[in-house]
Amino acid sequence: GAVVSQHPSWVICKSGTSVKIECRSLDFQATTMFWYRQFPKQSLMLMATSNEGSKATYEQGVEKDKFLINHASLTLSTLTVTSAHPEDSSFYICSAHGPLTGGYTFGSGTRLTVV
Amino acid sequence: TQLLEQSPQFLSIQEGENLTVYCNSSSVFSSLQWYRQEPGEGPVLLVTVVTGGEVKKLKRLTFQFGDARKDSSLHITAAQPGDTGLYLCAGLVTRDDKIIFGKGTRLHILP
Repeated sequence: GAVVSQHPSWVICKSGTSVKIECRSLDFQATTMFWYRQFPKQSLMLMATSNEGSKATYEQGVEKDKFLINHASLTLSTLTVTSAHPEDSSFYICSAHGPLTGGYTFGSGTRLTVV
Repeated sequence: TQLLEQSPQFLSIQEGENLTVYCNSSSVFSSLQWYRQEPGEGPVLLVTVVTGGEVKKLKRLTFQFGDARKDSSLHITAAQPGDTGLYLCAGLVTRDDKIIFGKGTRLHILP
């Protein structure tokens, strides 16, 4: 079945630094990838949608200059949290969708802690 | 903005009891999905319902899609401690090809 690998599974960084999270579709081509953020005890909130080779579409209230998304290939999308602050600490989850999968496959998430 | 209201948000019941979780919206979705999420992991798809009025069963779990495709329910029969977790409903927004989630139901089954 369709598998999405997300890396790293957890990361701790200092305030002011940048962190990159990778999302890879291992056995299918993902034309569209989605990035979600989940705070403790809450549901998943869609941050942005990225299509391969084009700019990401950000949801209202999400700072595109802070959360840089790159989807340069059909199997890889990256989310870079720039100048991270403690309030950016959260669980980030990616999801991938391809024309042949017929569904949306989620990664296992990345726990970001900014200290 | 299409919103999904999920209820209840929290539910703690004894093993063996039945329960129903509801997912409602004022908007029509082309499909609704139900996920289960364990702490520290991504959500795992349980079922997708597409046709209005559709009913799907997954062992002790029964999923129903409303006739108007605006709401859905998840019914668990004879709940077991292993059913404990966060249950999320999600709707597919056809226009944007994206999935939006309800707030989730945190279910705790007491042995």
